Amino acid sequence: DAKTTQPNSMESNEEEPVHLPCNHSTISGTDYIHWYRQLPSQGPEYVIHGLTSNVNNRMASLAIAEDRKSSTLILHRATLRDAAVYYCILRRGAGGTSYGKLTFGQGTILTVHP
Amino acid sequence: GAGVSQTPSNKVTEKGKYVELRCDPISGHTALYWYRQSLGQGPEFLIYFQGTGAADDSGLPNDRFFAVRPEGSVSTLKIQRTERGDSAMYLCASRQTGTDYNEQFFGPGTRLTVL
Repeated sequence: DAKTTQPNSMESNEEEPVHLPCNHSTISGTDYIHWYRQLPSQGPEYVIHGLTSNVNNRMASLAIAEDRKSSTLILHRATLRDAAVYYCILRRGAGGTSYGKLTFGQGTILTVHP
Repeated sequence: GAGVSQTPSNKVTEKGKYVELRCDPISGHTALYWYRQSLGQGPEFLIYFQGTGAADDSGLPNDRFFAVRPEGSVSTLKIQRTERGDSAMYLCASRQTGTDYNEQFFGPGTRLTVL
């Protein structure tokens, strides 16, 4: 599986935007970029995913570099409830026996200050 | 609607004992996954079910670990002769197949402690 690289930790202030980077230089053409987050004492939850184009949903935006070797998760206005570990994951596209399998790295610990 | 549930939420056992961890996926989700998460690490894939069959069990660490999903809904992860190194959070996730949209819904996990 292609690997991702994320900073170990980041800090933000409440109500400010947060840009969480992810490098995935060995991404293949069929790999989707997924972001999950894990709040303290909870299971991971889906945030957003994309393939080539930038994506927006109610939780966040995903900006994907033109060469797809990096991406950025954007939280437009951080709240205290956004404090979590954020995981950037490459998920192989359709086909094969491991369709949907997620390979988590260490993630980025986001601290949000009031 | 109801999400993924896991029972028990906490399990403490002694080294050498047998344990079973249960996962109730979201109704209608045919894909089910088990992950294990050690403290300070990201979740690690164990096994993937498509319906009743284990489509990928490459993440099971050894033959003490086994999982079943006999009717294609509830799944049980079974660990024989538990060891202290098995202590971790065990997470279950389910996913609706049939589309390319691949959101996995995770349960709250079972915290296993082997004394």
